[in-house]
Amino acid sequence: AQTVTQSQPEMSVQEAETVTLSCTYDTSENNYYLFWYKQPPSRQMILVIRQEAYKQQNATENRFSVNFQKAAKSFSLKISDSQLGDTAMYFCAFMNVEGSQGNLIFGKGTKLSVKP
Amino acid sequence: GAGVSQSPSNKVTEKGKDVELRCDPISGHTALYWYRQSLGQGLEFLIYFQGNSAPDKSGLPSDRFSAERTGGSVSTLTIQRTQQEDSAVYLCASSLRTGIYGYTFGSGTRLTVV
Repeated sequence: AQTVTQSQPEMSVQEAETVTLSCTYDTSENNYYLFWYKQPPSRQMILVIRQEAYKQQNATENRFSVNFQKAAKSFSLKISDSQLGDTAMYFCAFMNVEGSQGNLIFGKGTKLSVKP
Repeated sequence: GAGVSQSPSNKVTEKGKDVELRCDPISGHTALYWYRQSLGQGLEFLIYFQGNSAPDKSGLPSDRFSAERTGGSVSTLTIQRTQQEDSAVYLCASSLRTGIYGYTFGSGTRLTVV
């Protein structure tokens, strides 16, 4: 069974600085997708960034980028120029698409606080 | 609709009562998912609907939990004889068929069993 591990329960960063959130996963599959979701206090999960496992190029979305290391099964999220609005829970998620129904498996999350 | 809508936003119920939680997915999304998020925890998969196929119920924690999806659209998650350990946020999400572009989540229902 696939598992997703986020080893940092809480992190903090100063406004305008850069922070990296860690995520590792375990799978024997070769074709899959990885996601980072943000959950602010409003509770709604918001998709931040997505990575396709068969693409070597790291995904980027504005201030958000990932460091995808397939051999190491690592998928970290880098937030540049942190803003107060980035304060939220961040969840890493895995989806196996080989013969599956596309069910997302989540890590336990990292609580990020951006300090002024 | 424009987003995934869940109701009620908050629900307080007495132990032993039945509750129904509603999810209205994005129009055109054939896949619908229910997750449970307990305090300080990640998201626990409960059930998955895909079009007219039989749902994947493998995540339901007990036979007190059930869900249905009528007409391939609105879904209702029912918890019978609620227990205090059922207290959590219940999140619904929908996606295009395979979900490989990510899910769109609702804002959840916070269930408190007293």
